Amino acid sequence: AQKVTQAQTEISVVEKEDVTLDCVYETRDTTYYLFWYKQPPSGELVFLIRRNSFDEQNEISGRYSWNFQKSTSSFNFTITASQVVDSAVYFCALSEAGEAGGTSYGKLTFGQGTILTVHP
Amino acid sequence: NAGVTQTPKFRILKIGQSMTLQCTQDMNHNYMYWYRQDPGMGLKLIYYSVGAGITDKGEVPNGYNVSRSTTEDFPLRLELAAPSQTSVYFCASSYRGPLNQPQHFGDGTRLSIL
Repeated sequence: AQKVTQAQTEISVVEKEDVTLDCVYETRDTTYYLFWYKQPPSGELVFLIRRNSFDEQNEISGRYSWNFQKSTSSFNFTITASQVVDSAVYFCALSEAGEAGGTSYGKLTFGQGTILTVHP
Repeated sequence: NAGVTQTPKFRILKIGQSMTLQCTQDMNHNYMYWYRQDPGMGLKLIYYSVGAGITDKGEVPNGYNVSRSTTEDFPLRLELAAPSQTSVYFCASSYRGPLNQPQHFGDGTRLSIL
């Protein structure tokens, strides 16, 4: 069965520091998808990124960057020059493509989440 | 464009009561999901649906029921509320297509059972 582990329960940084949130996953599928979601204090879930298992190219979007390494089953998320507005719970999630031509219907397995607090 | 709408936002129930959490999406998504989020934990899948009339259990289905009579609506029913069902419930939907499309989430329903 698939599993997602976010070992960092809480991280506290001062504004403008860089911070990396770790995500390690387990799956038997060779095709799968990894996601990051942000949950700000208001409680909604905001989609940040999706990565396919066959695309290991790292991605940068403004102050956000993601490092995908299949060799270590990791999909880490870095925020550069953190800001107070980045304070939130961040979830890593996995969706398998399914077995032998089937489909998982996009079901997500979430990690426990990392609480990020950015102090001014 | 409303996206995924959940009602109510908050509710307090007594043990043994029943209620229905409503979820509606206006994006014509085939796939819909119900998750629960317990304090300090990630989301766990309760039920999901791949289209009208088709539903299936997720990881934690006990104590819940669902139905999907239309593409837009996917209500979640609690028949006999128990304290263990105190949680925040999220409904989500996604497009049926390749590459496992991102799910769009509602704002959640915070449910307390006393």
